Amino acid sequence: QKEVEQDPGPLSVPEGAIVSLNCTYSNSAFQYFMWYRQYSRKGPELLMYTYSSGNKEDGRFTAQVDKSSKYISLFIRDSQPSDSATYLCAITQGGSEKLVFGKGTKLTVNP
Amino acid sequence: GAGVSQSPSNKVTEKGKDVELRCDPISGHTALYWYRQSLGQGLEFLIYFQGNSAPDKSGLPSDRFSAERTGGSVSTLTIQRTQQEDSAVYLCASSFTGGAGNTIYFGEGSWLTVV
Repeated sequence: QKEVEQDPGPLSVPEGAIVSLNCTYSNSAFQYFMWYRQYSRKGPELLMYTYSSGNKEDGRFTAQVDKSSKYISLFIRDSQPSDSATYLCAITQGGSEKLVFGKGTKLTVNP
Repeated sequence: GAGVSQSPSNKVTEKGKDVELRCDPISGHTALYWYRQSLGQGLEFLIYFQGNSAPDKSGLPSDRFSAERTGGSVSTLTIQRTQQEDSAVYLCASSFTGGAGNTIYFGEGSWLTVV
């Protein structure tokens, strides 16, 4: 079993839709959870960062962590064409410098 | 105020040749990372430098891969005797300090094609 599993999609939604992106992980020691956005031929950029379980909101984006289920989610409200990108979850243990990434989900928001 | 800078942005090389990829991290960042992203795959950790400490090389896939970081700043990733399976995007990243919870900033990558 891979440490982090992420549905690669692709996912295509109309503008204004609510998008749900998810990852599951296997190591209960993971404590830091991140979502990165990667535009075509660009490096990943950090979108959201959460520590341990709970929700975190930033504008149209909400990150959710459920450690009991080993499940993390990213919700995008009122999705825009500019949100079209690949979204990667990344997870690490406390004190570890190695981020473990999911394969990424490619999202297209159609105007 | 430049971000992480990588060169070359694109490289096509013949199988068996050596290649060098360069990374210039954000000024003042002590931690530097190399990741590899193959088609349809997530980012794969290669190596991590933190200040003057010995690098964490646990992700390097074979002894054909090596990396240096000179003067705590610029880093070079070297791939010897390249193989077709080495074709990937090589991403460099840096952070102010290493360790979990620190924001990592990525460069745009060096796109390597081995023919």
